[in-house]
Amino acid sequence: GNSVTQMEGPVTLSEEAFLTINCTYTATGYPSLFWYVQYPGEGLQLLLKATKADDKGSNKGFEATYRKETTSFHLEKGSVQVSDSAVYFCALRGNNNDMRFGAGTRLTVKP
Amino acid sequence: ETGVTQSPTHLIKTRGQQVTLRCSSQSGHNTVSWYQQALGQGPQFIFQYYREEENGRGNFPPRFSGLQFPNYSSELNVNALELDDSALYLCASMDRGQETQYFGPGTRLLVL
Repeated sequence: GNSVTQMEGPVTLSEEAFLTINCTYTATGYPSLFWYVQYPGEGLQLLLKATKADDKGSNKGFEATYRKETTSFHLEKGSVQVSDSAVYFCALRGNNNDMRFGAGTRLTVKP
Repeated sequence: ETGVTQSPTHLIKTRGQQVTLRCSSQSGHNTVSWYQQALGQGPQFIFQYYREEENGRGNFPPRFSGLQFPNYSSELNVNALELDDSALYLCASMDRGQETQYFGPGTRLLVL
């Protein structure tokens, strides 16, 4: 079945550092890929998405590229801020409409 | 535009009891999905409803059931509660023709 494997956390960075959170997937067919963010005490919010191979999703300085050859969708940001501290979830939506989420990676950014 | 809302926000039940959780979809969204998020884990897909019919189900036993109403709001029912059912239950709605799901804030259920 479909699954998502996400880089284990927690991740602690200093402000303005470069961020990478790795995500790989296993799926049949052509899934859509997503990154969701969960700020403390809040629900999940869509951060970015990509629906086909080689698409790049971007939002708020975050980027991720759908790599079919490596079945990956790594999240990157060039310069993190304290306000980026949250839990990040990689997810895929398969042909049967169910969403599969990774376990989440907690990011803490220190001033 | 009203977002996805869920009720109640918190709930405490005892083992063996039954619970009903409610979700109001974002305006214009005809598809609702339910997820269980255990502490420190990612959400696990329970099922999805489209036009009042179940349209996909994850690996959850039959004691997890749901309904979708003509106004696209939805309920999640869990019978014979077990301690492991303690989790945050998330509802997400979307327009079936789109890719993006919008999540509610969740209902935190504690089973004692």
